[in-house]
Amino acid sequence: AQSVTQLGSHVSVSEGALVLLRCNYSSSVPPYLFWYVQYPNQGLQLLLKYTTGATLVKGINGFEAEFKKSETSFHLTKPSAHMSDAAEYFCAVSDYGGSQGNLIFGKGTKLSVKP
Amino acid sequence: NAGVTQTPKFQVLKTGQSMTLQCAQDMNHNSMYWYRQDPGMGLRLIYYSASEGTTDKGEVPNGYNVSRLNKREFSLRLESAAPSQTSVYFCASREGQGYGEQYFGPGTRLTVT
Repeated sequence: AQSVTQLGSHVSVSEGALVLLRCNYSSSVPPYLFWYVQYPNQGLQLLLKYTTGATLVKGINGFEAEFKKSETSFHLTKPSAHMSDAAEYFCAVSDYGGSQGNLIFGKGTKLSVKP
Repeated sequence: NAGVTQTPKFQVLKTGQSMTLQCAQDMNHNSMYWYRQDPGMGLRLIYYSASEGTTDKGEVPNGYNVSRLNKREFSLRLESAAPSQTSVYFCASREGQGYGEQYFGPGTRLTVT
């Protein structure tokens, strides 16, 4: 069965600093991987996804993530944090177990950005 | 194009009361999902509907029922609400082909006292 582990429930960075949010997954087949962002009192919005092909994936708002099969990781990065990046971020893996497209979510990482 | 809509936005119930959460999508998607979100738990799948006419249990189905009314609408019913069902509920939809992303509604914040 697939699973997702997000390291760090809270991450705090200064404005302009590098953002690194960690995600490790387990999957018995090549995974489809997603990062979603949730702003306060809103639904989830897709940041980026990896399906096949290029392992470095670029998303919205300057975020990118790299799929590393050998490390079973899909960490999210942004070179320079902005105050508007403060939100909760969820990593998810697609469920190949028979449900055809169900997502297994990590527990989320709340990002704070200090001025 | 409204995407995924949910009603109501907020609801307070007393223990034992029933209610139905409504969800509709206008993207002609085949698959629809209901999740609950609790602090520190991420999102957990309650029920899903891979296509019109089918529904299946997810990770946490106990205490809930669903109806896929047509291709657009997927409702979640709490027959006898319990305080443990206090949560934020999200509906999502997906095209159904391949493993594309899910699109989420704005959520319903439910409190059971």
